[in-house]
Amino acid sequence: DARVTQTPRHKVTEMGQEVTMRCQPILGHNTVFWYRQTMMQGLELLAYFRNRAPLDDSGMPKDRFSAEMPDATLATLKIQPSEPRDSAVYFCASGFNSVASEQFFGPGTRLTVL
Amino acid sequence: AQTVTQSQPEMSVQEAETVTLSCTYDTSESDYYLFWYKQPPSRQMILVIRQEAYKQQNATENRFSVNFQKAAKSFSLKISDSQLGDAAMYFCAYSFNSGGSNYKLTFGKGTLLTVNP
Repeated sequence: DARVTQTPRHKVTEMGQEVTMRCQPILGHNTVFWYRQTMMQGLELLAYFRNRAPLDDSGMPKDRFSAEMPDATLATLKIQPSEPRDSAVYFCASGFNSVASEQFFGPGTRLTVL
Repeated sequence: AQTVTQSQPEMSVQEAETVTLSCTYDTSESDYYLFWYKQPPSRQMILVIRQEAYKQQNATENRFSVNFQKAAKSFSLKISDSQLGDAAMYFCAYSFNSGGSNYKLTFGKGTLLTVNP
């Protein structure tokens, strides 16, 4: 049963610390998305990749967030330095680059920045 | 800009009854898809149903069906014979070409559905 995995599931950290979230997309999918979910803003697209190349990261605060795909089995989202307003659930999703393609979501990382 | 609006932040339904969740969207595109995703308390986002804009026939998946009104840009979800397991946040989403044949989803804010026993 293929699924998207994310680690860690929960992260509590202090303001100013670096946070790294990892995602393993479903094998064979060529598109990977990072989303942030908060009560106020709902689901926001932060960045996405096609065939490991970054296509759009306009949703990310550039000064502190970075997203990479070092290989086809790993996508990372880093926050440095973290701030309390970054507290949210971060989802990774994968799929195919098609208008009809379902996006398969991971279980999310709940981040709390104190 | 493509936007998706879910005007009902919360809805409730009695078990075994039918409920309809509303969604409207704004687009100038002709080629697009619409989706309904479910997010139960476990947080896991699950696809419920999808609809191609070119198809006039409304999509159906077991107890879930949509009412797609293309001219009105409306895409509502009907859940029949509601079950306790249907309690979740439901998100309407729109898939479009964001440029250069790259596709992404825009989500509505969600509707929280409560199912009462």
